Amino acid sequence: QQQVKQSPQSLIVQKGGISIINCAYENTAFDYFPWYQQFPGKGPALLIAIRPDVSEKKEGRFTISFNKSAKQFSLHIMDSQPGDSATYFCAASKETSGSRLTFGEGTQLTVNP
Amino acid sequence: NAGVTQTPKFRVLKTGQSMTLLCAQDMNHEYMYWYRQDPGMGLRLIHYSVGEGTTAKGEVPDGYNVSRLKKQNFLLGLESAAPSQTSVYFCASRIAGGTYEQYFGPGTRLTVT
Repeated sequence: QQQVKQSPQSLIVQKGGISIINCAYENTAFDYFPWYQQFPGKGPALLIAIRPDVSEKKEGRFTISFNKSAKQFSLHIMDSQPGDSATYFCAASKETSGSRLTFGEGTQLTVNP
Repeated sequence: NAGVTQTPKFRVLKTGQSMTLLCAQDMNHEYMYWYRQDPGMGLRLIHYSVGEGTTAKGEVPDGYNVSRLKKQNFLLGLESAAPSQTSVYFCASRIAGGTYEQYFGPGTRLTVT
């Protein structure tokens, strides 16, 4: 049972364009929603995260939009660059469960120059 | 600081063989996690630990055992390897309280033939 569903599976964007990746979750007890970035041969690294008490968080070119009623959240990458080409994972957790992260399936982003 | 390190980086096992994967962190983190990553399935939690001497099952614990005898180390064991355990294994750690950020190691690529 996949509690966090992510789409699309792959995404190709031109340099300077906007990349959008979507996630939907089922468990309303989740209280932390991070996005991780993974380059080939490396471990995932935290990119940006949000708590359910805010609807949007922005860090540089990266923005999380959060819709609590729809149980959905998305990652927007503005002015996408070839260096952003990586696999992106959304995830969710709740502190009372030892902060166990439940990951989405991943999105492979390619930014063409 | 080395962060989170994993040993070995690569390993090939025959069906039925056993092995232990070692995760070490030098950040004095209380929580540690073992995930497996398979194509199209994101990362799935195998076992985790919220402190020295404690372990708990994650989403896919069958066929694996773990031990946390020292705070800085978290061992993942495969007693009788099966081809279905061919995967990339990631260890992660985080501090109790504060941010929920998990820091990941570089991964171990395991092939079971």
